[in-house]
Order: sequence, then structure tokens, then C-alpha cells
Amino acid sequence: GAGVSQSPSNKVTEKGKDVELRCDPISGHTALYWYRQSLGQGLEFLIYFQGNSAPDKSGLPSDRFSAERTGGSVSTLTIQRTQQEDSAVYLCASNAQVRTGADTQYFGPGTRLTVL
Amino acid sequence: GENVEQHPSTLSVQEGDSAVIKCTYSDSASNYFPWYKQELGKRPQLIIDIRSNVGEKKDQRIAVTLNKTAKHFSLHITETQPEDSAVYFCAAAFQGAQKLVFGQGTRLTINP
Repeated sequence: GAGVSQSPSNKVTEKGKDVELRCDPISGHTALYWYRQSLGQGLEFLIYFQGNSAPDKSGLPSDRFSAERTGGSVSTLTIQRTQQEDSAVYLCASNAQVRTGADTQYFGPGTRLTVL
Repeated sequence: GENVEQHPSTLSVQEGDSAVIKCTYSDSASNYFPWYKQELGKRPQLIIDIRSNVGEKKDQRIAVTLNKTAKHFSLHITETQPEDSAVYFCAAAFQGAQKLVFGQGTRLTINP
């Protein structure tokens, strides 16, 4: 079946502009996660959703970052007034959380954001 | 706080030799430990995972061991091949398994 998809695959923007990044999780997956990966670095947790609510927003770097999820499916990560340090690959992942414990997270291909 | 430490950051081995990557975690309540492989320009993909009710799991040339007392787990790759070259990330589940915290990654290079 279809995996996690993200759009756009690449985004180049000017400093100070707002950007929206989209994630389509695997159908039926209740949990959705956003991560940021700077060049050659690890995976930095940003936020996760259980259904449409976000129990943990602790990873959002500043109030310029926000995310929402509607209909328990698509999620949008918005970065306002972008800065050069926001340049990174933004990865989305989803899982089914069938078990009471953790389940496999499936990653999307990412959106490469470049802020000039 | 929630923390996962991964070592080494880079590892170079000869083709056919074994590679070992180690991780430690901070929360003794963590119960799920996946390993992801990320090839250049690609998305991370799960290669193996282990839950806290077992000490070892093996899948062909890949194995993971878990020491709950010491709060560390390791990835073992035997008979390495050039296609094993990638960045490997360990992770541990926190907050009642709702959240994964990742290690910083190990860049593994297999030399022919």
C-alpha cells in the first residue's frame, strides 16, 4: 500500500517568508510525528499527534513553528518568518499504535527546506 | 531527561568483518528500541527492533542485544557488505511508548 508522503519534496524560500510543509500518513495510522534533520545530523523530535491532538509539542524550537492535524490524517507544519537556521530536512513519520507499547514508525521522504 | 547516546559517530570496517554500534538510554521505563538505517538522500528505514521482554533478537546478518540493567543496547552486523554502508540510528521509546528519542547516528563505511 501507499507509504507516508510529504510535499513539497524541496522548498527554497527567502528569509522572513512563511512556509507550509505537508504530511500524508499511512491510512489508518493514528499517530503522526514530525522531525527535523540538519545536514549530517541526527533526528530532532519536533511534535507528535495522537489523532488530531498534540500531547507533546516540546520539540518545537520556537513560537515560529506550529503544526496541526485535521481529520486524523493530513498534518501541516508551518514555519513563520523563516530564518537561515531553519534550513534542514523535515521528516514526517506515522505509526498505527496497535500495541499498548510502541510500534514501528514509518518515515516519509522528507521536505528539504532551504532558507536563503 | 530523555536522552539516548550513540557510539561511535563513525565506523569503518573491512568488507566481511563485523560492525558493532552501541547506545545507552536514560529512562529505565523505556520498553521499545528500534534501529533505523538511512542511506544517503533517503528516508530512515527500520531494520530491526527489540522490546524489553527479550535480551536478543536476530535477523539474518543483523542482531540486537539489550541489557536493561545497564540501560544499553547494541546493533551487530556480521559479514558486512558494501550495501551496509549508511547512517544507523538507534532510538528508545519514552513517555509510555508514545515518543521515540533518537541517538545521533553512526556513519558506517564498509571498505572493499
